[in-house]
Amino acid sequence: GAGVSQSPSNKVTEKGKDVELRCDPISGHTALYWYRQSLGQGLEFLIYFQGNSAPDKSGLPSDRFSAERTGGSVSTLTIQRTQQEDSAVYLCASSSLLAGGPNEQFFGPGTRLTVL
Amino acid sequence: AQTVTQSQPEMSVQEAETVTLSCTYDTSESDYYLFWYKQPPSRQMILVIRQEAYKQQNATENRFSVNFQKAAKSFSLKISDSQLGDAAMYFCAYEDGSEKLVFGKGTKLTVNP
Repeated sequence: GAGVSQSPSNKVTEKGKDVELRCDPISGHTALYWYRQSLGQGLEFLIYFQGNSAPDKSGLPSDRFSAERTGGSVSTLTIQRTQQEDSAVYLCASSSLLAGGPNEQFFGPGTRLTVL
Repeated sequence: AQTVTQSQPEMSVQEAETVTLSCTYDTSESDYYLFWYKQPPSRQMILVIRQEAYKQQNATENRFSVNFQKAAKSFSLKISDSQLGDAAMYFCAYEDGSEKLVFGKGTKLTVNP
């Protein structure tokens, strides 16, 4: 597809379960980002990948959160032992990171996670 | 740390009228980029307009234009001839080469027919 895709679109889970959220970036985009959008909190940066490496993990809220990217393409965000405060929309974005240019990020439709 | 503030949680405008959404930011950097993103109920974030800080000329994209005041650290979005399809959350964002976008909390725009 032409855009960033994310799956699942919606995920309902029970407290304490693990979840995996998937992001397929735009083909050829080297950079990939995860953000979290919580009610009343706006969008928070979680982690950034350049290729398969994650130079900036500063936004991950706890060690229950982890992410990986394989083949410079698909990324998975994993949340272990989910808590109710993890309920949010998780947005993925990708960028071609042109040198010296604006970092225009293209967003996917997000995954809405609900932890019961 | 850089911060972005949108002081208007909600705004409304009549169809065909003009509305201005406010955004201020705090940074010690001299080179950076500013963006306005639109998020309709479908959740898909769409880039509306961007501004390079080193450019004095305000960016324009069709009915959307910005008023960029670097000294005041202000970056407002003007929507002219508002249409029903403009109804959405609008987010102001900042980026300075750290690769991550810093977002404001958003302004919900309602367009009344």
